[in-house]
Amino acid sequence: DAKTTQPTSMDCAEGRAANLPCNHSTISGNEYVYWYRQIHSQGPQYIIHGLKNNETNEMASLIITEDRKSSTLILPHATLRDTAVYYCIVRVAPSRTGTASKLTFGTGTRLQVTL
Amino acid sequence: NAGVTQTPKFQVLKTGQSMTLQCAQDMNHEYMSWYRQDPGMGLRLIHYSVGAGITDQGEVPNGYNVSRSTTEDFPLRLLSAAPSQTSVYFCASGAGLPGFYEQYFGPGTRLTVT
Repeated sequence: DAKTTQPTSMDCAEGRAANLPCNHSTISGNEYVYWYRQIHSQGPQYIIHGLKNNETNEMASLIITEDRKSSTLILPHATLRDTAVYYCIVRVAPSRTGTASKLTFGTGTRLQVTL
Repeated sequence: NAGVTQTPKFQVLKTGQSMTLQCAQDMNHEYMSWYRQDPGMGLRLIHYSVGAGITDQGEVPNGYNVSRSTTEDFPLRLLSAAPSQTSVYFCASGAGLPGFYEQYFGPGTRLTVT
């Protein structure tokens, strides 16, 4: 799976959009971009994933550049409850054997949302 | 749905003791996995399973055993606990092609080995 690079930490004011970047310059054509977050001491929580196109769900938007070498997770109106570590993960589409299905977590970006 | 449940929440072991961390899910997911998270680090995959009767090793399997006799349960056994196994252990399950879609994580078991 391709390696990802994220800033160590970011701050965001409550109510503003939080834009979390991720660099994955070695991504290959069959690798997806996933985002998870981990709120203090809890288990990670899935946010969103995508391949080429931009994706949006009730939690966030995922913008993937045309060359797929980087992406941005957008939390449109950050709240204090969004304070967490955000992990950008790249993984290949799985086969039936399951060998490609692991999530490789790096150290992520610590997002602090402030009043 | 209870989702993914883990027991116990906290455990203290002495070096050399063995124990089993329990994980159960009620979402009928085929894919289940175990991760460990050391302080200030990301999660590392220990073992995973793509269905009942099928298990495989992740990146840090040494010192751990797993079995998957039912779809619901995926226990993790520590054979002979060592201080290096002090960590937070998370179990996860996922739907679709083996865990391809979102994976659901349990609340974790905090293990200290003295």
